[in-house]
Amino acid sequence: SQQGEEDPQALSIQEGENATMNCSYKTSINNLQWYRQNSGRGLVHLILIRSNEREKHSGRLRVTLDTSKKSSSLLITASRAADTASYFCAGNNAGNMLTFGGGTRLMVKP
Amino acid sequence: GAVVSQHPSWVICKSGTSVKIECRSLDFQATTMFWYRQFPKQSLMLMATSNEGSKATYEQGVEKDKFLINHASLTLSTLTVTSAHPEDSSFYICSARRPQSYNEQFFGPGTRLTVL
Repeated sequence: SQQGEEDPQALSIQEGENATMNCSYKTSINNLQWYRQNSGRGLVHLILIRSNEREKHSGRLRVTLDTSKKSSSLLITASRAADTASYFCAGNNAGNMLTFGGGTRLMVKP
Repeated sequence: GAVVSQHPSWVICKSGTSVKIECRSLDFQATTMFWYRQFPKQSLMLMATSNEGSKATYEQGVEKDKFLINHASLTLSTLTVTSAHPEDSSFYICSARRPQSYNEQFFGPGTRLTVL
C-alpha cells in the first residue's frame, strides 16, 4: 500500500504564483522525501526532511513536516513553466524502504 | 550526484517474449537496488529489493517467477520480465542505494515496456 497520499492530485497555476502540495502518510517514518518526475522520465530527488525536523528550505522549495499529523507540504515559490511536472512524496521507514504517494501533477502556465 | 542508468529506455515486444532490463550504478557501488513499476498517471509501486549476491526480496503480490531479478555485481541489477503479456506494459524504474548515503536512493531514467 502507498505510504503517502498527495493533495491535490492536480494543480494548475500561473507562472510566478506559489504552488503548495500536501502529503499524508500512514506509518512511522525516519524521513520524508520529495521527488519530481517529468512526463515519461525518471525521478529527481528534491529534498529530504528528517522526522525530527519541522521545516527545510532549498532554493525555491520549502518543505514542512508535522509528525503528529503525519503530514508534509511542499511549497514551490515563484513558479516557472519549467516546474511543470509530477511531484511525489515518499516516506522512508525504519527499514529504509521508500513508499511513494499518489503524486500531484503540477501545471504552470506561462 | 550519483548516476544510475537503465537500458533499454524503451522496448516494444510481442506477447510471450522475455525482456531484460538493466540497471547500472555508474559512479558508485550499490549493495542494494530497488525495482519499481509505474502505470500511467499513477505513483511508483515497489516491486522488489535487490541485494548484491543474494536473492531479491519481492513485495506482496509480485510474482518472482514472472519478474526475475539478478544482482550479480555491485553496479548491475537486471530485471527480466518473462513471457510478457500486454498487462505487463508499464514504466519500470530502478534505484540504487549508496552505502555512504543510507537514506538516499538514486533513480534511473526508467524503461518503458510496451507488450503487443
